[in-house]
Amino acid sequence: IAGITQAPTSQILAAGRRMTLRCTQDMRHNAMYWYRQDLGLGLRLIHYSNTAGTTGKGEVPDGYSVSRANTDDFPLTLASAVPSQTSVYFCASSDSETDTQYFGPGTRLTVL
Amino acid sequence: GQNIDQPTEMTATEGAIVQINCTYQTSGFNGLFWYQQHAGEAPTFLSYNVLDGLEEKGRFSSFLSRSKGYSYLLLKELQMKDSASYLCAVRDSNYQLIWGAGTKLIIKP
Repeated sequence: IAGITQAPTSQILAAGRRMTLRCTQDMRHNAMYWYRQDLGLGLRLIHYSNTAGTTGKGEVPDGYSVSRANTDDFPLTLASAVPSQTSVYFCASSDSETDTQYFGPGTRLTVL
Repeated sequence: GQNIDQPTEMTATEGAIVQINCTYQTSGFNGLFWYQQHAGEAPTFLSYNVLDGLEEKGRFSSFLSRSKGYSYLLLKELQMKDSASYLCAVRDSNYQLIWGAGTKLIIKP
């Protein structure tokens, strides 16, 4: 693994289903983030984690949950998907020295 | 509220120079970032400004004026591969990044 990986690459999901988006980084970054990106809007922060064992809510947290059991993994769960959660989801991590964020390749999620 | 403004779309010619502006109103300021995002791909880091002035990095330069809440990204000697969206983001007083919607840059031969 080099950098940040996300899985799946894309997914079509029925409304009401539960879904977990996976994110793994191998850069030993303390901070990790989940964003959604919708056409015409900027990246919007869903949840973040400053270090393993801690999480925080971003701008649009409703309907999503996260966990950070270790440094490398930061999964995002949609408990009961709704069509408005159709979006491209990006995971990112940042190093403590510069706070520059590095992004995974994204997951394209469609909720029908 | 917090706000980042960028033009939605710009067009430029291969070999030319283009300036992409970004104005911001945020609760506090702890640095401004520019990212490049090709269609269907993830954003990638271009530049970071925290002090006023110009930061040059090859064909790309970024300028910041904190008193005016203004930044620009200058791209010189445009190449077709520079066709992408350019995202401006400001780190606020809580050290969270506030993102602009991005400027789609179209390069014509």
